[in-house]
Amino acid sequence: GNSVTQMEGPVTLSEEAFLTINCTYTATGYPSLFWYVQYPGEGLQLLLKATKADDKGSNKGFEATYRKETTSFHLEKGSVQVSDSAVYFCALSGRTGGFKTIFGAGTRLFVKA
Amino acid sequence: DVKVTQSSRYLVKRTGEKVFLECVQDMDHENMFWYRQDPGLGLRLIYFSYDVKMKEKGDIPEGYSVSREKKERFSLILESASTNQTSMYLCASSLGQVAYEQYFGPGTRLTVT
Repeated sequence: GNSVTQMEGPVTLSEEAFLTINCTYTATGYPSLFWYVQYPGEGLQLLLKATKADDKGSNKGFEATYRKETTSFHLEKGSVQVSDSAVYFCALSGRTGGFKTIFGAGTRLFVKA
Repeated sequence: DVKVTQSSRYLVKRTGEKVFLECVQDMDHENMFWYRQDPGLGLRLIYFSYDVKMKEKGDIPEGYSVSREKKERFSLILESASTNQTSMYLCASSLGQVAYEQYFGPGTRLTVT
């Protein structure tokens, strides 16, 4: 069945550092891919998404490119801020998964001033 | 501004009690979901609903039931709470299925003693 694997955390960075959070997936067909972010005390909210191969999703300085050849959707940001401290979830949904959204385990990011 | 609300942020119940968690969305979404979130496990789908009075089991439905009598409201019921149901419960809604984002409530942290 469909699955998502993302790098374990926590990830600790200094402000203005470069961020990469790795995400790989297993799915048949052509799923849609998402990154969600959960700030402390809140529910998840969509950060960005991509619906087909080679699409790049972007929002708030974050980017991720749908790479079908490597089944990956890594999240990147060029310069993180303290306010980016949160838990990040990679997710996918596709027809072959019965339309359900499958979430990764989440990666906690701490950014130090 | 879209909104998903959950009836309680924190709840403490005793083993064996019947527990109701309520979720309301104001976006006229067809689809609603209940997840539980546990450290290292990400989000796991308990039940979902694609229409009023319709429900489908997710990945971990045992010990739970749901009710959707109105489009905007989706209730999760723990028939007889147990300590292994101590968790964060997240409700979400979406307009469609594949490629549609889910909108999450703030979560209910349930402790069963």
